[in-house]
Amino acid sequence: EPEVTQTPSHQVTQMGQEVILRCVPISNHLYFYWYRQILGQKVEFLVSFYNNEISEKSEIFDDQFSVERPDGSNFTLKIRSTKLEDSAMYFCASSDGGSNQPQHFGDGTRLSIL
Amino acid sequence: DQQVKQNSPSLSVQEGRISILNCDYTNSMFDYFLWYKKYPAEGPTFLISISSIKDKNEDGRFTVFLNKSAKHLSLHIVPSQPGDSAVYFCAARNGAQKLVFGQGTRLTINP
Repeated sequence: EPEVTQTPSHQVTQMGQEVILRCVPISNHLYFYWYRQILGQKVEFLVSFYNNEISEKSEIFDDQFSVERPDGSNFTLKIRSTKLEDSAMYFCASSDGGSNQPQHFGDGTRLSIL
Repeated sequence: DQQVKQNSPSLSVQEGRISILNCDYTNSMFDYFLWYKKYPAEGPTFLISISSIKDKNEDGRFTVFLNKSAKHLSLHIVPSQPGDSAVYFCAARNGAQKLVFGQGTRLTINP
């Protein structure tokens, strides 16, 4: 069964450094998403991406965040200058965009900011 | 953001019995509801969903019920198996693509 893959599984970064989280969505999917889950809290939506542009973003997704689909298979989330509060699990998801089609999630990247 | 709430942080059920997980929501514009299951160190795995035009959807051992007037949905697992032990998340969507998640309920199936 096709799946969403994310790399790395764990990223440790010094505060203030840039970090790029990578995702390979399911190949025939058209919609891509990033969510995050801070330890002990809910899974929160960050951004959705369709047709090479952001279709929706949350208030969390400020100027420090950006997303890109650099080629036909990868989808990346960049955090320009990381803060301690960016420490979380980051999940990538994709869907084919049908009205009653679920989003499928990767196993996440644990981001630890020191 | 309290639009989707799972009021039970944990639930313990004996193997073979029914597990019932509950979820409440406040936004009447939600039109699609989903249940995800999550094991440690893995991402949420889609289980079952229901459109707001239906009140029940069944898939094998899993059934989701939607009560729109009460803004409540539930997931029934019958019979419960040890492999069902996981955290279960309720999520909802209002036509836009983003999902709004509940806090999750940790289900433990006891042998």
